[in-house]
Amino acid sequence: AQKVTQAQTEISVVEKEDVTLDCVYETRDTTYYLFWYKQPPSGELVFLIRRNSFDEQNEISGRYSWNFQKSTSSFNFTITASQVVDSAVYFCALSDVGMKTSYDKVIFGPGTSLSVIP
Amino acid sequence: NAGVTQTPKFQVLKTGQSMTLQCAQDMNHNSMYWYRQDPGMGLRLIYYSASEGTTDKGEVPNGYNVSRLNKREFSLRLESAAPSQTSVYFCASSEWRGYGYTFGSGTRLTVV
Repeated sequence: AQKVTQAQTEISVVEKEDVTLDCVYETRDTTYYLFWYKQPPSGELVFLIRRNSFDEQNEISGRYSWNFQKSTSSFNFTITASQVVDSAVYFCALSDVGMKTSYDKVIFGPGTSLSVIP
Repeated sequence: NAGVTQTPKFQVLKTGQSMTLQCAQDMNHNSMYWYRQDPGMGLRLIYYSASEGTTDKGEVPNGYNVSRLNKREFSLRLESAAPSQTSVYFCASSEWRGYGYTFGSGTRLTVV
């Protein structure tokens, strides 16, 4: 079965600290995609990144970076020099395209609530 | 480039009232979805439409109906609202499997 685990329910950091949000996934298929979404206090869900299972290169976008390790089924998200605007709930998600579904079946993790304290 | 537009943003209903949540996307995506988000329950799929003309039940379809009016629009109807349907509702669309979702801004619904 497909599953996404985000063991950290809540994290608090002081501004300018680095923080890593953990994501562990389970799937039987070799072809899948992983995502991170951000939900700020305003409530909308914002797409951050999409990664396919064949590309294990780490990705950096400004202060954000993602570490994908198939060997440990993890797709961790690091924010460097955190800012108050990073305060949000972050969701990791898995789309298992190996399954014979007619739609994009996305499995969401429970989310990690990040608070950045000034 | 509007993306996914949901209306209304907020709604208060009395128990037993009906209403329709509207969703439209302008990205020519094939698939559309309705989710609800509740504290401690995460995001749960209510209904989805894999393509124009088709709709299917998700995890929590009871008490809801949907209509895929055309490729752009996917509405969610509550025929007789119940307090248990108090939630934040998100519409989403995706181009194809593996592309992930673009979400609407959400509808905060309270049933009293």
